[in-house]
Amino acid sequence: AQSVSQHNHHVILSEAASLELGCNYSYGGTVNLFWYVQYPGQHLQLLLKYFSGDPLVKGIKGFEAEFIKSKFSFNLRKPSVQWSDTAEYFCAVKRSSGTYKYIFGTGTRLKVLA
Amino acid sequence: DGGITQSPKYLFRKEGQNVTLSCEQNLNHDAMYWYRQDPGQGLRLIYYSQIVNDFQKGDIAEGYSVSREKKESFPLTVTSAQKNPTAFYLCASSGQGSFYEQYFGPGTRLTVT
Repeated sequence: AQSVSQHNHHVILSEAASLELGCNYSYGGTVNLFWYVQYPGQHLQLLLKYFSGDPLVKGIKGFEAEFIKSKFSFNLRKPSVQWSDTAEYFCAVKRSSGTYKYIFGTGTRLKVLA
Repeated sequence: DGGITQSPKYLFRKEGQNVTLSCEQNLNHDAMYWYRQDPGQGLRLIYYSQIVNDFQKGDIAEGYSVSREKKESFPLTVTSAQKNPTAFYLCASSGQGSFYEQYFGPGTRLTVT
């Protein structure tokens, strides 16, 4: 069965530190990849997505992610975090065809210290 | 504004009672979803529907039921058979095709005592 792994469950960083959150998935076919963010008390919202083309995708608020097909990975990065990035981050995967199911990772709680 | 509404935001029920959570979308999306969010477990899919009058079980459908009589609405009933119903429930929708991401509602926090 498809699965998504987010190995970092809790991350604490100081402001201006660089961020990298890991995401690995288990499906060998063509996939669509997503990172969502849930700020405290707010809806889940899309940070960025990958469907095809350039494996380095840029999203909102200075986030980017790199799709490495050979490693089944889609890691999220930000060069310099801010206190307002404190949130929970979810990676999600969907097979490109034949299903409407999105598989989510368990999430990473990021706390940024001012 | 287009979006997904879930009501109520907080819901309290006694054990043994069925309860229905509302989800409405005005995004004209064909697909709708129900997830359960528990700390440390991410989002787990309960049910999803690709089209009106059709729905499929997700990974944790036991103790839940849904209906999809209208494109805009996808209510979830938490039955008394659900052994651990206290959780945060999220509704989502998406357009058809591979290129669409999901849009999420604000969620309903259900507490059963």
